[in-house]
Order: sequence, then C-alpha cells, then structure tokens
Amino acid sequence: DTAVSQTPKYLVTQMGNDKSIKCEQNLGHDTMYWYKQDSKKFLKIMFSYNNKELIINETVPNRFSPKSPDKAHLNLHINSLELGDSAVYFCASSQKGQGASYTFGSGTRLTVV
Amino acid sequence: DQQVKQNSPSLSVQEGRISILNCDYTNSMFDYFLWYKKYPAEGPTFLISISSIKDKNEDGRFTVFLNKSAKHLSLHIVPSQPGDSAVYFCAASPNDMRFGAGTRLTVKP
Repeated sequence: DTAVSQTPKYLVTQMGNDKSIKCEQNLGHDTMYWYKQDSKKFLKIMFSYNNKELIINETVPNRFSPKSPDKAHLNLHINSLELGDSAVYFCASSQKGQGASYTFGSGTRLTVV
Repeated sequence: DQQVKQNSPSLSVQEGRISILNCDYTNSMFDYFLWYKKYPAEGPTFLISISSIKDKNEDGRFTVFLNKSAKHLSLHIVPSQPGDSAVYFCAASPNDMRFGAGTRLTVKP
C-alpha cells in the first residue's frame, strides 16, 4: 500500500532523449510536487501543483514539464536530456495547508550518459 | 541561495547518548519548520514539526527547539539508537517547503 509511488526507480538514458517519470499518490492529497536532489544532496523544489495552480521554480529549464491527468498523478516529462539532469528526482504530495507535512516517493535515479 | 542551512554534514554519537542536529534559516517569513529522516534508496519521511508560535515540540525521543531571534532550530534525539542512523533534513515553509542539505547521523552501538 505505497502512499506515493514513482516509476521507474532507475533510469539510464542518452543525452538528447526525452523521458518521463510517473508519480501516483493514493492519500487523497490535493497538492503534488517534484523535487530534485543534486550531487550536493540539496533537495530543490521544481514544481508544485494542485488542480488550480501550477507553480514553477523559475530556475527549472523549460525542458522539464509536469503533466497531471488527474489529482492522483503528477508525471514529469523531460525533453532533450542533458548530462546535468542526472540526479535523484522525488515526487511528494500533501494536503495544502499551513505546516502540512509532505509524503515522499522513494525517488527515481536518473543517469544521463 | 540556500534559505535553510545545515552546516554539519555528519554527526556521530554513541548509542544511548543525545544527538543534536542543527539548522539555521534566513527567511523570517518561514512559519513552519519540519524535520525529515531519510534512509538510503528511500524518500524522506516526516519526523516532527514546529510552528513559529512555539519554541519547543516533543514527540517521544524527539524534541525540536526553535529560537526565532537567532533563526535557529535544533532536533534532539535522546536516547539515540542505532536505528536512528540516517540523513536528517531540516525544512521550512510558509508555502513550498525548502530543505537544508541534510546531516548524516551515525549512532554507534
């Protein structure tokens, strides 16, 4: 009964390819997020999304785009992959509200070669 | 532009002793602070939180202290257990959560 599940867990791909990472939550939360953990281990917000608004971190290249077919899913599409995109990507969800804790998926390790 | 900073990348303590993990922040708009624990190959899991209107919150072996004037918070774990060995992230929000770089805690038997 995984609360937030991401697939795939590992993804190795060549530069220039387009790839997607899927995320699903079964918690009934209204907001989902994508975080990137880089080589320095910082967890940086990329997107937050609920059914009303998408908030994009301005530092995220427009090659990255979130797609939400419904409230339980927020997939991450990446076009024209670059070496610097190699990182661990975490999906998370929460019920929007002050101080609400996030529930994270187990992460997707993306390696661009 | 790290608004949440954990300046100690690692900490090692003996089983049974106290572990103190520190976190500093720069944004005075932050009104909720959370600690997450992360094991290898897993996502961070929520541990404990504190609102900016409080200076202490306790949950079993875990206590978080907040010093707003110093923009500093700390997580105390007592007594520390080997199973507490993990990376601990400090996080803060008014809106989207901002994370520190994490501190790797090792509790030695």
